[in-house]
Amino acid sequence: GAVVSQHPSWVICKSGTSVKIECRSLDFQATTMFWYRQFPKQSLMLMATSNEGSKATYEQGVEKDKFLINHASLTLSTLTVTSAHPEDSSFYICSARGTGGRSPLHFGNGTRLTVT
Amino acid sequence: AQSVTQPDIHITVSEGASLELRCNYSYGATPYLFWYVQSPGQGLQLLLKYFSGDTLVQGIKGFEAEFKRSQSSFNLRKPSVHWSDAAEYFCAVGGGNTDKLIFGTGTRLQVFP
Repeated sequence: GAVVSQHPSWVICKSGTSVKIECRSLDFQATTMFWYRQFPKQSLMLMATSNEGSKATYEQGVEKDKFLINHASLTLSTLTVTSAHPEDSSFYICSARGTGGRSPLHFGNGTRLTVT
Repeated sequence: AQSVTQPDIHITVSEGASLELRCNYSYGATPYLFWYVQSPGQGLQLLLKYFSGDTLVQGIKGFEAEFKRSQSSFNLRKPSVHWSDAAEYFCAVGGGNTDKLIFGTGTRLQVFP
């Protein structure tokens, strides 16, 4: 079945540094990828929609300058958390939808970000 | 407003017992409905989905769900739970392009031997 690979699975960084998270669709082309954030014991909140070759669409309340998204190819989207702060610590999950109609979303295994 | 409600935050069952996880939704158009399972520290795995047609859908791992439009519900069921089913379960609703999913707050399932 369709596989979405997310890397790294966990990362610890110092406050003020930037962290890049990669999301790859391994066996299908993903025209659209999505980035979610999940706080402990809470649901997933959509942060942004990433479209190949165009600018990402951010949800209300998500700072686009802080969470940079790049979708340079049909198999790779990246999320960069810039100038990270402890409140950015969270579980970030990407998902991707294939090019076929009614294709369900496939999720990566997530990235646990801890900012110290 | 579009929303998904999972009334049960935490459910505990004995292994071998039957299971039903509740999900109610509010959606302005024809909903596409999903159930996902998440193990600790992991991403989400799709259990099953409903787009149209038969309102009783079968998924992986022996799960099924029934879409009831009159009740705006999409409850997940399994006749006999296994210890490996312990996880967090999320119900989600989306529109025609299944792009933007709205997730419920999840139900944590604990299974006792």
